[in-house]
Amino acid sequence: DAGVTQSPTHLIKTRGQHVTLRCSPISGHKSVSWYQQVLGQGPQFIFQYYEKEERGRGNFPDRFSARQFPNYSSELNVNALLLGDSALYLCASSLEAGARQFFGPGTRLTVL
Amino acid sequence: EDQVTQSPEALRLQEGESSSLNCSYTVSGLRGLFWYRQDPGKGPEFLFTLYSAGEEKEKERLKATLTKKESFLHITAPKPEDSATYLCAVQAGVRSNFGNEKLTFGTGTRLTIIP
Repeated sequence: DAGVTQSPTHLIKTRGQHVTLRCSPISGHKSVSWYQQVLGQGPQFIFQYYEKEERGRGNFPDRFSARQFPNYSSELNVNALLLGDSALYLCASSLEAGARQFFGPGTRLTVL
Repeated sequence: EDQVTQSPEALRLQEGESSSLNCSYTVSGLRGLFWYRQDPGKGPEFLFTLYSAGEEKEKERLKATLTKKESFLHITAPKPEDSATYLCAVQAGVRSNFGNEKLTFGTGTRLTIIP
């Protein structure tokens, strides 16, 4: 079975631009979470979605937004990019509440 | 606010030299403690979930244990392929119907096994 997939793999943007990252969960998984991992740090929670509804939000500015589609895939959008947004963005899916979260390979975003 | 602290930050071991990684946590209502392995440039790979103090789980050369304040990841006779960053995360708060799935991670322990 395919794992969590994310696209694109790498992305380079300049300050002030907008970016959209995409995630496809494992088949049958209905919950998707997004994390930001800055180099040398642990992942930090951004959002969780289940059945197209936001179920959790981390301490990130309103420039960050997300949505989930009927097929349970998800998008993370970041507006007005800052240098500090450079990070590995991870998507994770889970089958049920409290179960292990399976992570995708991540999207490496570089903001110049 | 939930807090997770991992130590040491980095650990270098000779092949076959056993050791332990520590994860101490402060949370309001622990629902689960998770261990992940992360290779450079890749997403975390799930290792274990522990739910209550006294619980232990094993997989090959790894064994995870849990107390009310910390968890240990014991590595027995490690091999070079065990080199990676090991992340600890907690899930806390009241369980709801697919809400509150947030994981709070520590900064990880970077483990290097020297042949």
